Amino acid sequence: DAKTTQPTSMDCAEGRAANLPCNHSTISGNEYVYWYRQIHSQGPQYIIHGLKNNETNEMASLIITEDRKSSTLILPHATLRDTAVYYCIVSLRGLMDSSYKLIFGSGTRLLVRP
Amino acid sequence: GAGVSQSPSNKVTEKGKDVELRCDPISGHTALYWYRQSLGQGLEFLIYFQGNSAPDKSGLPSDRFSAERTGGSVSTLTIQRTQQEDSAVYLCASSLTFGSGTRLTVV
Repeated sequence: DAKTTQPTSMDCAEGRAANLPCNHSTISGNEYVYWYRQIHSQGPQYIIHGLKNNETNEMASLIITEDRKSSTLILPHATLRDTAVYYCIVSLRGLMDSSYKLIFGSGTRLLVRP
Repeated sequence: GAGVSQSPSNKVTEKGKDVELRCDPISGHTALYWYRQSLGQGLEFLIYFQGNSAPDKSGLPSDRFSAERTGGSVSTLTIQRTQQEDSAVYLCASSLTFGSGTRLTVV
């Protein structure tokens, strides 16, 4: 699996958008970009994933650059409960139940300030 | 159930004892993964199962660790002769969904 690079930590104000960047310059054409987050003392929570098109769901938006070498996770209106470690992962795993493992890096520690 | 269930939620064991950790995946999911997370660290991949295929055991740290998945559903992670460095949260994932983990403390 390709490696990802994320800032160690970020902060944003409550109610503002949180934009979390991820570099994956060695991503291959059939690798997906996944985002998970882990709130303190809980298991990781799936947020979103995509291949090349931008994706949006009820939690977040995922913007993938045209060359696919980087992406940004956007939390449109951050709340205090969004304080967590956010993991960007690239993997061949593209189907809900397919068989490629996700390798987690160190992630970005996001602090949402009141 | 609707989510991934892991038991026990907490386990304290004496060094040298064997422990078994259980994971009940989401019904119908054929992919099941085990990870562990030491205090303040990231997630470390241990093993995964996909249907009837041979499991990928490439992440198991030593031969004291083993896992099985019976009937394509429930999985058990076994750690023999536990050591203090085995203390961690052991997380199971069913496809994209993680359980809450088992916190193992070896004293």
